[in-house]
Amino acid sequence: DAGVTQSPTHLIKTRGQHVTLRCSPISGHKSVSWYQQVLGQGPQFIFQYYEKEERGRGNFPDRFSARQFPNYSSELNVNALLLGDSALYLCASSLGGALYYGYTFGSGTRLTVV
Amino acid sequence: RKEVEQDPGPFNVPEGATVAFNCTYSNSASQSFFWYRQDCRKEPKLLMSVYSSGNEDGRFTAQLNRASQYISLLIRDSKLSDSATYLCVVNSGNQFYFGTGTSLTVIP
Repeated sequence: DAGVTQSPTHLIKTRGQHVTLRCSPISGHKSVSWYQQVLGQGPQFIFQYYEKEERGRGNFPDRFSARQFPNYSSELNVNALLLGDSALYLCASSLGGALYYGYTFGSGTRLTVV
Repeated sequence: RKEVEQDPGPFNVPEGATVAFNCTYSNSASQSFFWYRQDCRKEPKLLMSVYSSGNEDGRFTAQLNRASQYISLLIRDSKLSDSATYLCVVNSGNQFYFGTGTSLTVIP
């Protein structure tokens, strides 16, 4: 079975540009979360979606937005990119009981802003 | 105060050694706890959940101390393949908070 898939794997953007990152959860998983991981730090929570509704939002500016589609895939959008947005962006999915079973992560999109 | 705090290490131990990591959390209402393992430039992978009664999976033992608000991970008989960063994860409401990770290198 396919795990959590993310695209693209690597991306280089210029300051001020916009980026869209994509995630397909494990088949049957209805919950998708996005995390940002800066080098040397643990992942920081950005968004959680369940059944296409936003269920949680971390401490990130409004430049960050996301949505979940009827097939449970998800997009993370970041506008007006800053150098500090350079990070590994991780998507994680769960069956719905993440509280008990934890999340499965995709391999991430490594974003570099120059 | 951070939701989750971990000693970043690094821990450098010889093969066969026993090593323990601790992690403290700030929200006493937290309900679920996990240890994840992350290899260099890879995604975190779930190592084990942490239950109130403590739990063991082979060479790995996880424990939870709610009174002191910390969780621990014990690795016995360390293998070279155990070299990685170990992240503790604690939920608070609908969010999962990760520690900064503890780096372990097992030396031949």
